Amino acid sequence: KNEVEQSPQNLTAQEGEFITINCSYSVGISALHWLQQHPGGGIVSLFMLSSGKKKHGRLIATINIQEKHSSLHITASHPRDSAVYICAVREPGTASKLTFGTGTRLQVTL
Amino acid sequence: GAGVSQTPSNKVTEKGKYVELRCDPISGHTALYWYRQSLGQGPEFLIYFQGTGAADDSGLPNDRFFAVRPEGSVSTLKIQRTERGDSAVYLCASSLLHNYNEQFFGPGTRLTVL
Repeated sequence: KNEVEQSPQNLTAQEGEFITINCSYSVGISALHWLQQHPGGGIVSLFMLSSGKKKHGRLIATINIQEKHSSLHITASHPRDSAVYICAVREPGTASKLTFGTGTRLQVTL
Repeated sequence: GAGVSQTPSNKVTEKGKYVELRCDPISGHTALYWYRQSLGQGPEFLIYFQGTGAADDSGLPNDRFFAVRPEGSVSTLKIQRTERGDSAVYLCASSLLHNYNEQFFGPGTRLTVL
């Protein structure tokens, strides 16, 4: 079973700061997802990637398959970015099953 | 169009009772997933449907848990003889196909077993 670890568990930043959240996994994967969960539970998919780098607005996700590591970066952070960010991986051949990390709770203050 | 919807949003029940949780996926999405999220934890996979059939139910914790999707759209997660440890947020997600498609999540059903 894939072990997915995220760091840090909690992160407080001031508005405007550059933020990095890390995700490591133990077994080879076919895809990695970054998800955002706001208070109240709603989950939004931010990125799905299997190699390289993706960018959407102020969010950037990178993955290094050899090192089994992914990072989520937020540039020019804003209080509305406050949420729990969750990394999830899909192993080859599982077709469907995602294994999730426990999440990183981000609080961005003014 | 509408996103994934789940009903009820909250369910409080007593230990030993039977509960049903409903998921309405995005229209046209053939893949449907159920997850369970305990407080302070990431979601945990329960079961995956491709069309009407359960393609992977390896995450169901025991035989008290069962899910159906008879017409390939709406799905119901059924829990018999509920236990306090079943208390969690039950999340449903759907995707256009499977494997390489983004999953769209519903708001979840918060189940509390007293």
